[in-house]
Amino acid sequence: DSGVTQTPKHLITATGQRVTLRCSPRSGDLSVYWYQQSLDQGLQFLIQYYNGEERAKGNILERFSAQQFPDLHSELNLSSLELGDSALYFCASSVQGGTGTGELFFGEGSRLTVL
Amino acid sequence: AQTVTQSQPEMSVQEAETVTLSCTYDTSESDYYLFWYKQPPSRQMILVIRQEAYKQQNATENRFSVNFQKAAKSFSLKISDSQLGDAAMYFCAYRSAHGNKLVFGAGTILRVKS
Repeated sequence: DSGVTQTPKHLITATGQRVTLRCSPRSGDLSVYWYQQSLDQGLQFLIQYYNGEERAKGNILERFSAQQFPDLHSELNLSSLELGDSALYFCASSVQGGTGTGELFFGEGSRLTVL
Repeated sequence: AQTVTQSQPEMSVQEAETVTLSCTYDTSESDYYLFWYKQPPSRQMILVIRQEAYKQQNATENRFSVNFQKAAKSFSLKISDSQLGDAAMYFCAYRSAHGNKLVFGAGTILRVKS
């Protein structure tokens, strides 16, 4: 158990819909990262938040947005869903924002299926 | 931008034997960290081993060890005495000491034969 909690574990929805994925980081971790794992694209970095503020942005689509709340949990919002958005979405957390040897601790992922 | 390359899409090893997974990376930085993560069928991402670039000594964690060649930008993972539970997808990852995100390779599927 990494200490990172993601909900829901599985989600099936239709094209055009909107979903929200939730992540609670390990106790004491200030940074939250979101990754997308598709079958043909490996693990792609989407976005990082540190203590409530956006720290780094990767290949995140404009239809996707995220935020980190004062209690440090984070939500990833996916809208106008397309078939290609079907993937495993990982949340990870680390103690420090951009320094140190802090490896990332990953949640179990949220599997999104868009029909 | 940093890139990580895993040239072996799939590897097989006999139980109790040794296998080496390859990883190369590209960076212009001198201060960074390298990781190997394991992803079993459960899809959980599990840290296997970590290496700081400033350390010359290769990291070791029980049956797992790395061969870190900084000049060659190579970071291979050796698994000794392979066990059935080692079967998984293995990802090599890079993190700048001044950055935030992990950059992952495409992964290597390891199959362990009994």
